[in-house]
Amino acid sequence: QVTLKESGPVLVKPTETLTLTCTVSGFSLSNARMGVSWIRQPPGKALEWLAHIFSNDEKSYSTSLKSRLTISKDTSKSQVVLTMTNMDPVDTATYYCARIIYYDSSGYLSRGIDYWGQGTLVTVSS
Amino acid sequence: DIQMTQSPSSLSASVGDRVTITCRASQGIRNDLGWYQQKPGKAPKRLIYAASSLQSGVPSRFSGSGSGTEFTLTISSLQPEDFATYYCLQHNSLFTFGPGTKVDIK
Repeated sequence: QVTLKESGPVLVKPTETLTLTCTVSGFSLSNARMGVSWIRQPPGKALEWLAHIFSNDEKSYSTSLKSRLTISKDTSKSQVVLTMTNMDPVDTATYYCARIIYYDSSGYLSRGIDYWGQGTLVTVSS
Repeated sequence: DIQMTQSPSSLSASVGDRVTITCRASQGIRNDLGWYQQKPGKAPKRLIYAASSLQSGVPSRFSGSGSGTEFTLTISSLQPEDFATYYCLQHNSLFTFGPGTKVDIK
């Protein structure tokens, strides 16, 4: 059974750095066909992809937030960590982690998001 | 970056209606697209992957089609549990979500 669970602070102050942890079970972060992504959703708004990481340590970041984000993993602990610097009230959102899985698609390997964590609401306020 | 648009942004429908949602990509993405359903206070749930493949356990009234830049999600006969917000997600180049389509009760 695949599960992902986000953990981290509920409240952060403006200019502080946010650190979120995603703990996974039911699959390994060393699996070459899987990765983990972070996604956020401000209250009442749409989903926004932030970053992802794969078993070979391949990392990618949202173009608009790249300068503020760092993603890393600890395979032995089954954890993926996202840090976001210089937090602002507009960063108030529910933050989700989700599994990325490779699949065969019409003769080539594609990758999409299948399982999601429950999400964690982070409020940025002084 | 690839941009995604969805139409309509919202719709009102009745139980039993056929509902179609469209997603368009700013450039060709082959069939690297998924559809997700999200209910209030819950995480999204994948319905469709590879543009037209039904996720295991998802009712067959959901279907997807399209390739390249234009994609559709169809619900053949809307059920009470289908009232939700639907998002498309492209994963051809990084990841981009569409802005969502809210389906509510007429």
